[in-house]
Amino acid sequence: EIVLTQSPATLSLSPGERATLSCRASQSVSNYLGWYQQKPGQAPRLLIYDVSNRATGIPARFSGSGSGTDFTLTISNLEPEDFAIYYCQHRVNWPTFGGGTKVEIK
Amino acid sequence: QVQLVESGGGVVQPGSSLRLSCAASGFTLSSYGMHWVRQAPGKGLEWVAIFWYDESHIGCADSVKGRCTISRDNSKNTLYLQMNSLRDEDTAVYYCARDRIQQWSYVGSFDVWGQGTMVTVAS
Repeated sequence: EIVLTQSPATLSLSPGERATLSCRASQSVSNYLGWYQQKPGQAPRLLIYDVSNRATGIPARFSGSGSGTDFTLTISNLEPEDFAIYYCQHRVNWPTFGGGTKVEIK
Repeated sequence: QVQLVESGGGVVQPGSSLRLSCAASGFTLSSYGMHWVRQAPGKGLEWVAIFWYDESHIGCADSVKGRCTISRDNSKNTLYLQMNSLRDEDTAVYYCARDRIQQWSYVGSFDVWGQGTMVTVAS
């Protein structure tokens, strides 16, 4: 089983700042890594698939990078609506999610 | 409008069974791989089950294997999750989710989610 570890658990930032979220896999997941955003009381929303491809309707301030075991989600200019929990997810064999990073308002 | 609507959740006793439904609209369910994902209160996301679009692979996560059955009714455009021998640790919001690419054996990347249905296992 491939385990995904996200860091930090919580990120405290102000609107307009840059957010950098990390996701590390216990073994290579190739490029089969995606990111989801979840707000309280809502279902997750796909942001990024296969490392760096933005899903339909996702703003350009969201970008993904990485390969193999180390991946990053960057939000270049935090908007008020971006404060949420972010999960990475791989799709090798079966889907597995990381534990999440909460981006909160500082 | 592409939409998934789950139903069937509720409060049940340990050891009982429950069948969750996921009604699709705006697209043909049988053209996509579908999944169930759950989220315990205050916790992260856990994948539960998969149903390939061509029915060639249907399966459940190890945490629910032997207690989980996933099925589909094409005439109703609806996906189901039958959970048996429910345990306290099955308490969660259950989401159904659609694979991102249609008519693809396995994608495992979810572009459409339902709003979820809450299952509470308690005596």
